[in-house]
Amino acid sequence: AQSVTQPDIHITVSEGASLELRCNYSYGATPYLFWYVQSPGQGLQLLLKYFSGDTLVQGIKGFEAEFKRSQSSFNLRKPSVHWSDAAEYFCAVGALGTDKLIFGTGTRLQVFP
Amino acid sequence: DVKVTQSSRYLVKRTGEKVFLECVQDMDHENMFWYRQDPGLGLRLIYFSYDVKMKEKGDIPEGYSVSREKKERFSLILESASTNQTSMYLCASSTPFAGGYRETQYFGPGTRLLVL
Repeated sequence: AQSVTQPDIHITVSEGASLELRCNYSYGATPYLFWYVQSPGQGLQLLLKYFSGDTLVQGIKGFEAEFKRSQSSFNLRKPSVHWSDAAEYFCAVGALGTDKLIFGTGTRLQVFP
Repeated sequence: DVKVTQSSRYLVKRTGEKVFLECVQDMDHENMFWYRQDPGLGLRLIYFSYDVKMKEKGDIPEGYSVSREKKERFSLILESASTNQTSMYLCASSTPFAGGYRETQYFGPGTRLLVL
């Protein structure tokens, strides 16, 4: 069965530090992968998506993610975190044969000044 | 800009009440979705609609129903609200997968429902 795992429930970083949020997927074909961000009390906003081609994907707000087929991973990175990046981050994979998305359980990012 | 709106940001209801959550999108999307979000569980799909009057059960449809009479509007109905339905409800919309391209889902701001 298709699934998405975000192994880190909660991550704390200092402002200005680099960030990597992990995402692993289980999928039987070339996956369609997404990262969303949810600020407190808000809906989800798309950060970036991967369908094919270049495995390093650039997104909004200075985020990037790298698709690694051999590791079934799609980790999200940012070189220097800002206090406004504090939010919950969700990784998702497009379910095979449907328009649905399968979401991970999310990683809550806390940023200290 | 795609806009998905939800009728209420916060809602307080009593056990046994019938509850309607409304979602409207302005991008002529065929697909609409209702999710429930709970801490530690991520987003779980309740129902999915791929066209007017068409619907498909998601992972947790029990205790919920939906209605889609117009393309832009998708309603989630709690026939008899229970305390275990206290949650954040998110609506989303998208275009169908076509030509090897999968469009993203666009989300509304969410409705935080408290059932007392």
